[in-house]
Amino acid sequence: GNSVTQMEGPVTLSEEAFLTINCTYTATGYPSLFWYVQYPGEGLQLLLKATKADDKGSNKGFEATYRKETTSFHLEKGSVQVSDSAVYFCALLTGGFKTIFGAGTRLFVKA
Amino acid sequence: EAQVTQNPRYLITVTGKKLTVTCSQNMNHEYMSWYRQDPGLGLRQIYYSMNVEVTDKGDVPEGYKVSRKEKRNFPLILESPSPNQTSLYFCASSYGVSSYEQYFGPGTRLTVT
Repeated sequence: GNSVTQMEGPVTLSEEAFLTINCTYTATGYPSLFWYVQYPGEGLQLLLKATKADDKGSNKGFEATYRKETTSFHLEKGSVQVSDSAVYFCALLTGGFKTIFGAGTRLFVKA
Repeated sequence: EAQVTQNPRYLITVTGKKLTVTCSQNMNHEYMSWYRQDPGLGLRQIYYSMNVEVTDKGDVPEGYKVSRKEKRNFPLILESPSPNQTSLYFCASSYGVSSYEQYFGPGTRLTVT
């Protein structure tokens, strides 16, 4: 079946460090891929998305590229800030309206 | 302001006492969905609705019911709650299959004792 696997957290970085959060998926067909972010006490917000192979999604300095050959959608940011501290979820959308989320990766950024 | 609202935000109840968590969106979205969030498991879809009077099961529908009588509302009903339904619940909505972004409510933290 369809699934999403994310690296386990928490990930702790110093401000201005480089961030990578790994995400791999298993899916039939051609899913769309997403990264959502959840700040403390809030619901999820879409961070970026990619709808076909080789697409790059980007937003607020974050980037992720849809790699069909490696079934991956890793999230990267060149220089993290304290305000980036949150939980990040990788997700895929299959046919219809079924979205499958990864377990989430908590990021702590220290000043 | 475009938003998804949920009520209540926090609820403590006892086993077997029926409860309803309401969800409403003001964006005229066709698609709505309910998720539960549990540590280490991410979000799992409970039910979703593609339009008024059209609903379908997600991955973990057991013990839950939904209805979609109006486009803006999508309540989640627990007829006989049990402790394993203690969780954080999120409602989400979207314009449609061709517009993939989901907008999430603030969450409802439910404790069943």
